Amino acid sequence: GENVEQHPSTLSVQEGDSAVIKCTYSDSASNYFPWYKQELGKRPQLIIDIRSNVGEKKDQRIAVTLNKTAKHFSLHITETQPEDSAVYFCAASGGGSYIPTFGRGTSLIVHP
Amino acid sequence: NAGVTQTPKFQVLKTGQSMTLQCAQDMNHNSMYWYRQDPGMGLRLIYYSASEGTTDKGEVPNGYNVSRLNKREFSLRLESAAPSQTSVYFCASTVDPGTEQPQHFGDGTRLSIL
Repeated sequence: GENVEQHPSTLSVQEGDSAVIKCTYSDSASNYFPWYKQELGKRPQLIIDIRSNVGEKKDQRIAVTLNKTAKHFSLHITETQPEDSAVYFCAASGGGSYIPTFGRGTSLIVHP
Repeated sequence: NAGVTQTPKFQVLKTGQSMTLQCAQDMNHNSMYWYRQDPGMGLRLIYYSASEGTTDKGEVPNGYNVSRLNKREFSLRLESAAPSQTSVYFCASTVDPGTEQPQHFGDGTRLSIL
């Protein structure tokens, strides 16, 4: 089955800095890669996703890149703000699997 | 449009007690999932239902049972609660299994077993 590894587990940055979270996956048939943000005590919510026919996608201060050859994808957050502090999860799915596989999460802390 | 609704939001049980966590979605989604979330462990799949009438085990099914009551509702039952089942439980749904669509999560149930 699919295996998703996510790094780092904790990331601490100063407000205004950029943050990068990386995920690798094992199943070359995976074709959908969402990122979820989970604020403390809240539900995970989709913030951006990318499909296998696209290499990069941007939405304001966040972007996701995908390298299918190397089987890794990354979340980039620019000009970080304290409200970006949360746990971020990557996931991989598709290729006929009913089950998305999640990374273990990255706790992002943005210091004012 | 409420999305995914879970009840209860909080529950404290004694070891050996049973309870059912309820989940309902109003998005006409076919697939529903139950996860548990423990510190440092991410989201671990307990059971899922790819479509109405089907259920399958996930990564950590022991000690749990599920029922897909209809297209909207998917319940999780703990028959004899154990302290190791203390966790936050999330229900999620998606349009169809294996498609390029995100999951929608409920607010979670925080369960403590003494």
